[in-house]
Amino acid sequence: TQLLEQSPQFLSIQEGENLTVYCNSSSVFSSLQWYRQEPGEGPVLLVTVVTGGEVKKLKRLTFQFGDARKDSSLHITAAQPGDTGLYLCAGARGNQFYFGTGTSLTVIP
Amino acid sequence: KAGVTQTPRYLIKTRGQQVTLSCSPISGHRSVSWYQQTPGQGLQFLFEYFSETQRNKGNFPGRFSGRQFSNSRSEMNVSTLELGDSALYLCASSLGLAGGYEQFFGPGTRLTVL
Repeated sequence: TQLLEQSPQFLSIQEGENLTVYCNSSSVFSSLQWYRQEPGEGPVLLVTVVTGGEVKKLKRLTFQFGDARKDSSLHITAAQPGDTGLYLCAGARGNQFYFGTGTSLTVIP
Repeated sequence: KAGVTQTPRYLIKTRGQQVTLSCSPISGHRSVSWYQQTPGQGLQFLFEYFSETQRNKGNFPGRFSGRQFSNSRSEMNVSTLELGDSALYLCASSLGLAGGYEQFFGPGTRLTVL
């Protein structure tokens, strides 16, 4: 059983559309990270959120950490083909990160 | 600054064999974590080494082991390979223990067990 569940598992959208990816758990995390992984590569860190309710913006990407620090969302505005990849959330508990199930995003030109 | 490197990138083994994977962390990073990534289970934590000592361990059988050398390079060993061990094995390095520092991932070693 995964500690962090992501939804949707797969997402295929047209260029220019908006989308939201969710990362949910019943456990509390001290921080939460979002990564993007491209085929043949390791995950690359996009952002770390630490405070409950925190919102961080990275160009067209908006990340939110839930008030109770159990869940998070990633919103992409005006998606571009370069956004294509596997998006992973990871929650920190103690000295360990627990990764989510992943969301595979395809942006069609 | 060079990133995390993993060797080999691809490996094909047969059931019952053993395999050793290598990870060289970013210079100055003292922690190396290992993960197994499969389509069904996603990214799962194997273990973390810091200053040559295993500091944290995931829920994997004893067939999976690792070690870290004084230069922070790490190796992971899997003995008596099973078909289900086919996966992408990722290592990540960080300045300190992973829970408190950003992790930088290598490109992974793709292991196929026949």
